[in-house]
Amino acid sequence: EAGVAQSPRYKIIEKRQSVAFWCNPISGHATLYWYQQILGQGPKLLIQFQNNGVVDDSQLPKDRFSAERLKGVDSTLKIQPAKLEDSAVYLCASSLDRAWQSNTIYFGEGSWLTVV
Amino acid sequence: KQEVTQIPAALSVPEGENLVLNCSFTDSAIYNLQWFRQDPGKGLTSLLLIQSSQREQTSGRLNASLDKSSGRSTLYIAASQPGDSATYLCAVRGGGNKLTFGTGTQLKVEL
Repeated sequence: EAGVAQSPRYKIIEKRQSVAFWCNPISGHATLYWYQQILGQGPKLLIQFQNNGVVDDSQLPKDRFSAERLKGVDSTLKIQPAKLEDSAVYLCASSLDRAWQSNTIYFGEGSWLTVV
Repeated sequence: KQEVTQIPAALSVPEGENLVLNCSFTDSAIYNLQWFRQDPGKGLTSLLLIQSSQREQTSGRLNASLDKSSGRSTLYIAASQPGDSATYLCAVRGGGNKLTFGTGTQLKVEL
């Protein structure tokens, strides 16, 4: 079974530039998450989708971050314009929606962003 | 708001030692708790998932316990090896299918 796929793995941009990250969840997983993990901290949820609808985006900085999940499969996370404090790893994860209370969440390897 | 704390933040032990990592959470209304491992430059790998109705789960040299009423979980690693060196994260799943992470314990197992 293929895991959660993310790209690009690494990206270096200048502040005020834009960047986009892509995620393909495990086949059949209705729930998709984007997390931000700053070095030395635990992951923080940015946005959670169930199919193509947003369940939780309360911690997404909406003035610069946007995310979409068209057709309920792949997802993109965009940052525009980037700030230095956006330097982090962006983790995508997915889980089965059915009986979600007991299901494991699976993570991709992350997209590492450095803003200079 | 759920808050998850992990102690210690970092731990260094000699090879072969048994060790315990701690995780505490403020809201006991959880569905499950999951322990993850994160290697440098990598994503998170799920180690163990404990349902709220369970007391413990075991996988090989790993044993995780859960005391939901007191808001605590421990991850026990037996006979540690250098390959166990990584950051260990716990996460609790609460209402709305929301997963809240701790800040992790960075483990180093030395030869």
